[in-house]
Amino acid sequence: GENVEQHPSTLSVQEGDSAVIKCTYSDSASNYFPWYKQELGKRPQLIIDIRSNVGEKKDQRIAVTLNKTAKHFSLHITETQPEDSAVYFCAAPATDSWGKFQFGAGTQVVVTP
Amino acid sequence: DAGVTQSPTHLIKTRGQQVTLRCSPKSGHDTVSWYQQALGQGPQFIFQYYEEEERQRGNFPDRFSGHQFPNYSSELNVNALLLGDSALYLCASSYGLGNQPQHFGDGTRLSIL
Repeated sequence: GENVEQHPSTLSVQEGDSAVIKCTYSDSASNYFPWYKQELGKRPQLIIDIRSNVGEKKDQRIAVTLNKTAKHFSLHITETQPEDSAVYFCAAPATDSWGKFQFGAGTQVVVTP
Repeated sequence: DAGVTQSPTHLIKTRGQQVTLRCSPKSGHDTVSWYQQALGQGPQFIFQYYEEEERQRGNFPDRFSGHQFPNYSSELNVNALLLGDSALYLCASSYGLGNQPQHFGDGTRLSIL
């Protein structure tokens, strides 16, 4: 199965600064890596994802980078705003069971004005 | 375009009882996955349904069972409820099998007394 480790568990940043969250996975054959944002009491929302045939993907202020050799992928948020405050989860699929996702433990991001 | 809908939003049960949770996938999606999210943790994969069959299963006991209907909606059943079953139960839908983007519903908050 797949093991996903996510760091840090909490992240406090000043508004306007950048935030980076890193996840490592164990199965080198994993090929799809989504990131979710979950605000308090709300559903996890897919914010960006990346497939293993590319190294980076950007969508406005958020980006995801993938290092297949090191088996880690990272979420980058630039010019953080208070509304970026939430818990962020990474996920990776178990290659012996396509469509079965293992989630990281989550990162609580707090953006202070 | 309706997103993923789940019912009920909240449910209170006692130990030993049985519960049924319901999910309607996002329009155009045919695959439904169920997750359990304990407080402060990432979602844990329970199982996935496609073409009315259970396709993948996580490390959950047989007390957890499910069903998918011809209209792609799904049910999660839990028998002999334990205190430890208290959690947020999330449904996610996607299109097709494999590692596809999953979209979550708001979840059902289940409390066991």
